[in-house]
Amino acid sequence: DAVLTQSPLSLPVTLGQPASISCKSSQSLVHSDGNTYLNWFQQRPGQSPRRLIYKISNRDSGVPDRFSASGSGTDFTLKISRVEAEDVGVYYCMQGTHWPRTFGQGTKLEIK
Amino acid sequence: QVQLVESGGGVVQPGGSLTLTCAASGFRFSSSGMYWVRQAPGKGLEWVAFIRYDGGSQNYANSVRGRFTVSRDDSKNTLFLQMNSLRVEDTAVYYCGKDLMGGPDYWGQGTLVTVSS
Repeated sequence: DAVLTQSPLSLPVTLGQPASISCKSSQSLVHSDGNTYLNWFQQRPGQSPRRLIYKISNRDSGVPDRFSASGSGTDFTLKISRVEAEDVGVYYCMQGTHWPRTFGQGTKLEIK
Repeated sequence: QVQLVESGGGVVQPGGSLTLTCAASGFRFSSSGMYWVRQAPGKGLEWVAFIRYDGGSQNYANSVRGRFTVSRDDSKNTLFLQMNSLRVEDTAVYYCGKDLMGGPDYWGQGTLVTVSS
C-alpha cells in the first residue's frame, strides 16, 4: 500500500500568515498514464470533506487562490499564502494512483 | 448542482448487516465512478470502496474485502454499500463521493453506522 505521511500533524498559525503542509508517499504516485493523482482535502469542523486540489496542483472550482500545491513523485506540499479564520480544520492528502486508495493522517490547522 | 445524499445508517449488533444508500443528482451518474469513504469518531478518513462508472469493476479496502459489497443502479441514480459481518471497528460516518480525476470532488453529508451490542 502507498502510505502517506503528513507533517506537521498540528499547525497553529497566526491570521494572515502563511502555512505549509507536507505529504510524503512511501512509493511514487506517478500513474502508468503519466498523471500523478494526488489530492488535497479540507474538512472544517462538523462538515464533510471538500476537495481543494487534484493532480498535484489543480484547484477545484471555487477554491480561493490563496491555496496552492506542488510536488512530484513522492513529495507533495499544500500551501496557504495568508491564513484566514475560515481555513480552520483538518487537511488530508489522498492518492488516487494505486489500489487501495489511501489518505494521510490529517493535519489540524488552528489559529494561534 | 451536484447532490449526494446518504441514508441507511443506524445501530446494529456485531455480526449484523446493513445497507447504505447514496442518492445522486445534478450530474451524469452513469458516467461517474463512485467512492465510499468512512470516518471513525474523532479519527481520520479511510477509503472503503470504489465502483467504476459502468459497474464493471469494484475495489475494496483490505479491512472490508469479503464483507462489504458496493453496487449501483444507474436507472435510479443510486449507489449502495451492502455491509455484512459488521464489527465494532466499522463504527463510523460513511460518506459517498463522486470521482473526478482520481479523487472524490463532491461528497455527501454522511450517514452514521454504529456497531454495538
